[in-house]
Amino acid sequence: NAGVTQTPKFRILKIGQSMTLQCTQDMNHNYMYWYRQDPGMGLKLIYYSVGAGITDKGEVPNGYNVSRSTTEDFPLRLELAAPSQTSVYFCASNSDRVYEQYFGPGTRLTVT
Amino acid sequence: AQTVTQSQPEMSVQEAETVTLSCTYDTSESNYYLFWYKQPPSRQMILVIRQEAYKQQNATENRFSVNFQKAAKSFSLKISDSQLGDTAMYFCAFMGGSNYKLTFGKGTLLTVNP
Repeated sequence: NAGVTQTPKFRILKIGQSMTLQCTQDMNHNYMYWYRQDPGMGLKLIYYSVGAGITDKGEVPNGYNVSRSTTEDFPLRLELAAPSQTSVYFCASNSDRVYEQYFGPGTRLTVT
Repeated sequence: AQTVTQSQPEMSVQEAETVTLSCTYDTSESNYYLFWYKQPPSRQMILVIRQEAYKQQNATENRFSVNFQKAAKSFSLKISDSQLGDTAMYFCAFMGGSNYKLTFGKGTLLTVNP
């Protein structure tokens, strides 16, 4: 049972490039989330999903897209990367019976 | 919308002593949950303790306990017998309603000194 896994761990992008952050959970959780953490700040919700095929915006969705084709996977797409997207990105999940969120190890992204 | 405020950006404590981290929140929800997460230098988010708003009894997990004051919307974390491994960022978080979304405070950096 690996829990929540994220790839890559680190990435440097040039301005205008695109990439996908991968997130997979093996706990059969319906709920999945993407957060970003800027230096000296708490986590802010980007997008979330309550099940396969269902996604919704969080607090800071601009510049990102998500999809949820399976229960296990919840990739986050960055189109036209900007320096403001330099951050640490966390994926998390929970079941609909347990409100504790389980977090992945994070991806540190730098856009230069 | 919910807000979570942690008014102490940094704190320090001597090993084996007790420290209390403060958190206040604002919400119109009647049913909600509160959490303290620990983030060590490895950046992994680790759940320390949780409190259900409908429970009057304060939650306790080994050396960690909370002081939950619902009327005052206050949720402080007490760490007893502090250990060097407790050095980390600590985040207070709120979960309300039915969608399980978390709202985080900005965090308190706790340093335990030998």
